[in-house]
Amino acid sequence: ETGVTQTPRHLVMGMTNKKSLKCEQHLGHNAMYWYKQSAKKPLELMFVYSLEERVENNSVPSRFSPECPNSSHLFLHLHTLQPEDSALYLCASSQLTGAGELFFGEGSRLTVL
Amino acid sequence: ILNVEQSPQSLHVQEGDSTNFTCSFPSSNFYALHWYRWETAKSPEALFVMTLNGDEKKKGRISATLNTKEGYSYLYIKGSQPEDSATYLCAASVSGYALNFGKGTSLLVTP
Repeated sequence: ETGVTQTPRHLVMGMTNKKSLKCEQHLGHNAMYWYKQSAKKPLELMFVYSLEERVENNSVPSRFSPECPNSSHLFLHLHTLQPEDSALYLCASSQLTGAGELFFGEGSRLTVL
Repeated sequence: ILNVEQSPQSLHVQEGDSTNFTCSFPSSNFYALHWYRWETAKSPEALFVMTLNGDEKKKGRISATLNTKEGYSYLYIKGSQPEDSATYLCAASVSGYALNFGKGTSLLVTP
């Protein structure tokens, strides 16, 4: 139990669907992150929020839309995805950006048909 | 995006063996180096965060060293146990935000 909870754990969606991934942290951290894990690739940083403000967007396509309504919650809204977007999406939080250790959720496994 | 390389890609050792992995990263503008352990069906868990050249950290049978001038870090496991089987991830940062991960070293320890 890391204090970071992700839902759903598994999601299957068609290319025309709209869905959202949710992340909640109970650690009182100030920064939250979305990472993508594709097969045989390193973890790829997608978005960073610090104090609810987006501070990094790693050239992610607009079909991925993050939302951070408060410091405990982070969403990733998904629409018109492609099959190559199928991956494990990991949420993480940290007290400090950069040097602070990351606390990860267990991930949401997304399959796009 | 920072290029973080890890070797070997995978490793299979016998229980009781000691082993080590390497992480290399660009040494310019270094900020922090992280090691994580990722067990199957679980979330990655932080082992060490290091920022200073020459840093050495230890947690039980696992230790890590950092050389920021030449851009590498070693992770050592002494007396490997089956429960050490996992993927070990290295990540480096050159700024206050972006943590760039390597592909990981997959360790299998058999009894």
